Amino acid sequence: DGGITQSPKYLFRKEGQNVTLSCEQNLNHDAMYWYRQDPGQGLRLIYYSQIVNDFQKGDIAEGYSVSREKKESFPLTVTSAQKNPTAFYLCASSSPDRTYEQYFGPGTRLTVT
Amino acid sequence: QQQVKQSPQSLIVQKGGISIINCAYENTAFDYFPWYQQFPGKGPALLIAIRPDVSEKKEGRFTISFNKSAKQFSLHIMDSQPGDSATYFCAASTRGETSGSRLTFGEGTQLTVNP
Repeated sequence: DGGITQSPKYLFRKEGQNVTLSCEQNLNHDAMYWYRQDPGQGLRLIYYSQIVNDFQKGDIAEGYSVSREKKESFPLTVTSAQKNPTAFYLCASSSPDRTYEQYFGPGTRLTVT
Repeated sequence: QQQVKQSPQSLIVQKGGISIINCAYENTAFDYFPWYQQFPGKGPALLIAIRPDVSEKKEGRFTISFNKSAKQFSLHIMDSQPGDSATYFCAASTRGETSGSRLTFGEGTQLTVNP
């Protein structure tokens, strides 16, 4: 069953703690993306990666970090430097030549108190 | 800054009616314009997409109309059904020379279709 998995679905953390969100895909896609979704603001791009061992900052990268050591995996770390980390985080993947056709995971809802 | 502006923020339509969502963009380098559908608690899914050299694309009850000179595109949902109730996002893709390809999303429209 091909697709993208994100875990966990709900995550709770205390302020000041770093937290890592998991994203795995078995679609054999080279490109992967992380988005943050807040009510009324659409999907905002945090980081994206076109190929293993390479990634670029998106529009709101401050306070986040990523790695891309394997084609299938693109974990996102929300650091304590992120001022407002509570949000719904979505991971996606695509073929590099079909960027418009992104496949999304089910998302992780992170709550930081 | 690359932006895609979407309206309305919310839309209520009666069953059987036509739902229309509009988007506008500035960057002429955008090379594809997809629409995504998202149900509560789920990730978005691609609904339909259009290239800028095409003025209209239809898939079932969903149609994209594209006006290149006005830099606007819209989604029309014909014979709207309660099952169409979801949030819809327009988007535009770019291919950067050094930064790779990415999507820019509109703010989203929450569609409610009343039975």
